[in-house]
Amino acid sequence: DGGITQSPKYLFRKEGQNVTLSCEQNLNHDAMYWYRQDPGQGLRLIYYSQIVNDFQKGDIAEGYSVSREKKESFPLTVTSAQKNPTAFYLCASVAPGTGANVLTFGAGSRLTVL
Amino acid sequence: AQSVTQLDSQVPVFEEAPVELRCNYSSSVSVYLFWYVQYPNQGLQLLLKYLSGSTLVKGINGFEAEFNKSQTSFHLRKPSVHISDTAEYFCAVTGLGGGYNKLIFGAGTRLAVHP
Repeated sequence: DGGITQSPKYLFRKEGQNVTLSCEQNLNHDAMYWYRQDPGQGLRLIYYSQIVNDFQKGDIAEGYSVSREKKESFPLTVTSAQKNPTAFYLCASVAPGTGANVLTFGAGSRLTVL
Repeated sequence: AQSVTQLDSQVPVFEEAPVELRCNYSSSVSVYLFWYVQYPNQGLQLLLKYLSGSTLVKGINGFEAEFNKSQTSFHLRKPSVHISDTAEYFCAVTGLGGGYNKLIFGAGTRLAVHP
């Protein structure tokens, strides 16, 4: 079945360490997104990519980095510059030509900084 | 720019009772509207969407929502809830127009269905 796979589901990190969250999709979607979810704040956009080798900052990009070398993959790196990285991270994608931003989400990765 | 306000952070309800989750939006342009559901420790799943046409939109799991342009609202309703409907519900909006239009999410409403 087609879908979005995020890994790992749970991740613990010490302060000062970088960590990379994986997002892979087999839906043949062009556009991919990373959101951060904190309790009571909804979802906030970190980065998005509408095409391979191109990506744009979202609302809270500071302390994060991404790459889009393949259509299927959009990894997110949480760097040591991110001051409060403990959160639930969601990857999503949009089918081409929908024009309506109907997002398909992965199951999420929960990052905890110790 | 668009914004979304979900008026209730938590809604407790008894099983088989009706429920309404409220959502108001603001936008200077025409919009598309969405409701997503999130079960614990999972991603979001699309419940329903309004793109155009009939203002009453039916979705999965017996949910429906009504787009009210004059009141800038998109409230979600279900006539009889089940324990399995316990989840967090997010309203979202995106503006129409040229270029990339970002999807803006509300803060979420936690629906707790009690036996």
